[in-house]
Amino acid sequence: GAGVSQSPRYKVAKRGQDVALRCDPISGHVSLFWYQQALGQGPEFLTYFQNEAQLDKSGLPSDRFFAERPEGSVSTLKIQRTQQEDSAVYLCASSLGVAGGHEQFFGPGTRLTVL
Amino acid sequence: GDSVTQMEGPVTLSEEAFLTINCTYTATGYPSLFWYVQYPGEGLQLLLKATKADDKGSNKGFEATYRKETTSFHLEKGSVQVSDSAVYFCALSVYNFNKFYFGSGTKLNVKP
Repeated sequence: GAGVSQSPRYKVAKRGQDVALRCDPISGHVSLFWYQQALGQGPEFLTYFQNEAQLDKSGLPSDRFFAERPEGSVSTLKIQRTQQEDSAVYLCASSLGVAGGHEQFFGPGTRLTVL
Repeated sequence: GDSVTQMEGPVTLSEEAFLTINCTYTATGYPSLFWYVQYPGEGLQLLLKATKADDKGSNKGFEATYRKETTSFHLEKGSVQVSDSAVYFCALSVYNFNKFYFGSGTKLNVKP
């Protein structure tokens, strides 16, 4: 594809529901990142994958958040038992390399609203 | 810890005015510095970057110089256009670029 795609673009969930957010990175990109962006704020790092390996999950806010990238391409961010404070835009980004200044390419994001 | 602080917006300018958006950083190592831009309805895009002290990143008429002595990476443009209206994010990454730290963003409105 031409860029990073994310689905759904918008998700409304009732408090307590589980949600799954999908990211399709640019083909061939080794690195994949998830960020959370609250309204009026910059993106905050959640987790990082190098191929299928989750090398850094230090930004995940609680054990309700889980991410996977089983085949080293598509990734899913899952949030269990959603809470109102989970409402945010979730951004996915991919990059070609693992180091050395490779640009991150961002998807359009999934706006999650928890009622 | 590592962090980025950028000036709050919104910044409103007339077309052809000079733009400065301030960005300062705190980093435990030797960061690379970036400016990303988010146009209305679109995803974040890399605008420019600098990977070491005294480097100048430039793109589309925008410039920023990596100043280690003042821990700054201010974004400048000599003559803004209406099409530059967007939200601008300063960011840093340390070591192997596996984690980015973003500022809170500065919204720029350019009026004709």
